[in-house]
Amino acid sequence: DAGVTQSPTHLIKTRGQQVTLRCSPKSGHDTVSWYQQALGQGPQFIFQYYEEEERQRGNFPDRFSGHQFPNYSSELNVNALLLGDSALYLCASSLAAGGRRWNNEQFFGPGTRLTVL
Amino acid sequence: GQNIDQPTEMTATEGAIVQINCTYQTSGFNGLFWYQQHAGEAPTFLSYNVLDGLEEKGRFSSFLSRSKGYSYLLLKELQMKDSASYLCAVCDTGFQKLVFGTGTRLLVSP
Repeated sequence: DAGVTQSPTHLIKTRGQQVTLRCSPKSGHDTVSWYQQALGQGPQFIFQYYEEEERQRGNFPDRFSGHQFPNYSSELNVNALLLGDSALYLCASSLAAGGRRWNNEQFFGPGTRLTVL
Repeated sequence: GQNIDQPTEMTATEGAIVQINCTYQTSGFNGLFWYQQHAGEAPTFLSYNVLDGLEEKGRFSSFLSRSKGYSYLLLKELQMKDSASYLCAVCDTGFQKLVFGTGTRLLVSP
């Protein structure tokens, strides 16, 4: 049973560039949430996707956008990169709340370490 | 506002017991999670509390008091591999958005 996978593992970009990060949820999960974790901090919620739509969003600018595909995988796009965007980007998958198999548990992927120079 | 507070760092010795506290103030509450995170790795799930009381799972136990906005994670029979950051997170809505504290870095020494 595959867990949450993310690609790439590491990425180095320069200011002003654009980046796309990818996530495949755990088998059987339909909801994907993205978090940004700066060094020494806890993860910060960026947004969540369910049924191919953004369902909830944290306090991040419009430079951060995403997408969910019919197979439940997801992408996180960041435009006009800033030095402060350097962080570990985590994807978490879960079952939508209220379903028969729902248990509120979220599983995290290994993350993508983004460095902006 | 939303605020999750936990100590920045704790130290303990192998074989001992340690309690990591977490206090929270959030706009909503749909459960509290504890995650373990080793340096450079993803958080791994430890426990989930939504009702008051103690949940025990092997060497790890987690307690919740909703009226006090307080939780703790208890680690028994500490091992060197327990050296990690421990993240307290509150699910503040029905849509599973997690609000994390900054984490408590635990160092277990021989």
